[in-house]
Amino acid sequence: DIQMTQSPSSVSASVGDRVTITCRASRSINNYLVWYQQKPGTAPKLLIYAASSLQSGVPSRFSGSGSGTGFTLTIRSLQPEDFATYYCQQADSFPLTFGGGTKVEIK
Amino acid sequence: QVQLQESGPGLVKPSETLSLTCTVSGGYIISYYWTWIRQPPGKGLEWIGNIYYSGSTNYNPSLNSRVTMSIDTSKNQFSLKLSSVTAADTAVYFCARVSNTVSMFAFDMWGQGTMVAVSP
Repeated sequence: DIQMTQSPSSVSASVGDRVTITCRASRSINNYLVWYQQKPGTAPKLLIYAASSLQSGVPSRFSGSGSGTGFTLTIRSLQPEDFATYYCQQADSFPLTFGGGTKVEIK
Repeated sequence: QVQLQESGPGLVKPSETLSLTCTVSGGYIISYYWTWIRQPPGKGLEWIGNIYYSGSTNYNPSLNSRVTMSIDTSKNQFSLKLSSVTAADTAVYFCARVSNTVSMFAFDMWGQGTMVAVSP
C-alpha cells in the first residue's frame, strides 16, 4: 500500500494568512493526488485533483502543486470558511489511501 | 443536482453483518464508479472499495474477505455488506461518486454519511 503522510497535523492561522500543507507519498504517484476539505459533521469536499487542477466552483485562493512523492496545498489568503480539516488522497493505485489530515484552526 | 443518501441500521452487534445502501437521485448510476469510505470517530478517512455500474469491484485488501458490494441500476442504488464486524468497524460510512471528468479516482459527490456503531 502507498502511505500518505501529511504535515503538519494541525496549524493555527489568522484570516488573511497564507497556509501551506504538505503531503508526501511513500513512492512516486506521478500527479495522481487529490485534496479534500472537510468541515465538522459534513462529508469531504473535492478541492483539487491531478495535484494542481482546481475542481469547478472552488475559489482560486486554493492551489496545489507537486509531483512524484511531494505535494503541497496552499491557501493564499485564509477566509473564515476555510477553517476545516484537509486530506490528501493518492489515486495512483489500489488500495486508495488518504493522508492523516491537517486541521486548520483559528489563531 | 445529483444527491447521494446512505441508509441502514445505526447499530450492529459484534460478529454480525453491517448492511448499508446508497440511493442516487437527480442523476444516473450508469457510467460511473461508486465508492464506500468510512471514518472512525475523530479519525481519518479509509477507502473501503469501489463498484462500477457493470458490477465490477475493487476492495481494500485490509477488509477484502469481509466486504461485498453490489449495485442495482434499476433502483439507482448500490450497497455495502461488511461481515463479522467488531468495535473497530464503528465509523461514519460515506458513499460517494467517482468523478468521470477527471482521469483518476477522485470523489466529487458524497452522501452526508451515516454513523454505524458496533455494540452488544
